[in-house]
Amino acid sequence: ETGVTQSPTHLIKTRGQQVTLRCSSQSGHNTVSWYQQALGQGPQFIFQYYREEENGRGNFPPRFSGLQFPNYSSELNVNALELDDSALYLCASSLEVSSYEQYFGPGTRLTVT
Amino acid sequence: GQQLNQSPQSMFIQEGEDVSMNCTSSSIFNTWLWYKQDPGEGPVLLIALYKAGELTSNGRLTAQFGITRKDSFLNISASIPSDVGIYFCAGADNTDKLIFGTGTRLQVFP
Repeated sequence: ETGVTQSPTHLIKTRGQQVTLRCSSQSGHNTVSWYQQALGQGPQFIFQYYREEENGRGNFPPRFSGLQFPNYSSELNVNALELDDSALYLCASSLEVSSYEQYFGPGTRLTVT
Repeated sequence: GQQLNQSPQSMFIQEGEDVSMNCTSSSIFNTWLWYKQDPGEGPVLLIALYKAGELTSNGRLTAQFGITRKDSFLNISASIPSDVGIYFCAGADNTDKLIFGTGTRLQVFP
């Protein structure tokens, strides 16, 4: 059974640029959630995707957007990067949208300069 | 964003000691989960709790869903060096998101 994978591992971007982060969900999982984890804090929910549709969103501006593909993999896009966007971005998958047991990938460390 | 309160913030214990940590919320949750995060990695699910008063074990770990549904506790018995890491609680209400705690950093000395 393949776990959740994310790419890239690390990324450095300049303020104002755009970034795309990728996630492959655990085998058999159809729901993907994205979280932002700032240094020294717990993960903050960005949004969740189920059957290629956004299914819940946290307190993040519209410049954070996402996609889910038919194979359940997902992308997180962030436009007009700000310095405060520097964080670890975590993707988590779950077996069903009704399951709260979420399994996390290793994350993508984004640094905005 | 909203975060749950975890205490203690950090713990420094000797190998073999038992550990207790807790998580509190101002809101009621239907589900409580406990995760462990090692440096440079994503959180790993340890225990999930679904019912007020529920007590669940996973090896040396035991967690409880508080009766008020506003708190949860995690105990680790006979700690070992690989228990080192940051422990996060997470709660879920009727929405689809998990709300995480501020974390408890555990350090175990031989």
